[in-house]
Amino acid sequence: ELKVEQNPLFLSMQEGKNYTIYCNYSTTSDRLYWYRQDPGKSLESLFVLLSNGAVKQEGRLMASLDTKARLSTLHITAAVHDLSATYFCAVDVKRGGSQGNLIFGKGTKLSVKP
Amino acid sequence: EPEVTQTPSHQVTQMGQEVILRCVPISNHLYFYWYRQILGQKVEFLVSFYNNEISEKSEIFDDQFSVERPDGSNFTLKIRSTKLEDSAMYFCASSRAGGGGTEAFFGQGTRLTVV
Repeated sequence: ELKVEQNPLFLSMQEGKNYTIYCNYSTTSDRLYWYRQDPGKSLESLFVLLSNGAVKQEGRLMASLDTKARLSTLHITAAVHDLSATYFCAVDVKRGGSQGNLIFGKGTKLSVKP
Repeated sequence: EPEVTQTPSHQVTQMGQEVILRCVPISNHLYFYWYRQILGQKVEFLVSFYNNEISEKSEIFDDQFSVERPDGSNFTLKIRSTKLEDSAMYFCASSRAGGGGTEAFFGQGTRLTVV
């Protein structure tokens, strides 16, 4: 059974600081997704990582994927309050074709304080 | 920008009643999904649907659940006899066909409360 583990589950950080969220998964997959969820809202797609060594950046967020280590990281640079949300990684267990069954991590609740 | 829309946003129902949650996926998408999120917990896969049939389902998706695409635009999740533990946020999602790694776009969710 595929397991996806995120850490930390809760993260309180000050504005301007850097931090990394980690996502480990237990079986082979070459497709990993990061989503953001604001309280009471839907899941917003942030990054799609499709191959070993993939790195994508959007603003203050950068995501990477190491399929050999079964690890993805979401790095936050110079955090601002607007980044406060819950961040989920999700792994796609279906090979080939379009997206299949996504297994989500428990999420990392990020709180950025002034 | 195209989006997945869900109705209603909040549904309260009595235990044992049937509920139907509705979704309108993005128009050129061919794969449809239902996920649920119990309050404060992670998002869990329920079912995927393609070409008018279920392509995959999880252990959660037992006989009391069913999905249907009654017309060219709607995608529904029916829970036949609701239980208290069915209370959750239910998300519909859709994705394009073809090529690996096409991302799923999620609707805003329906909060189901079973009393």
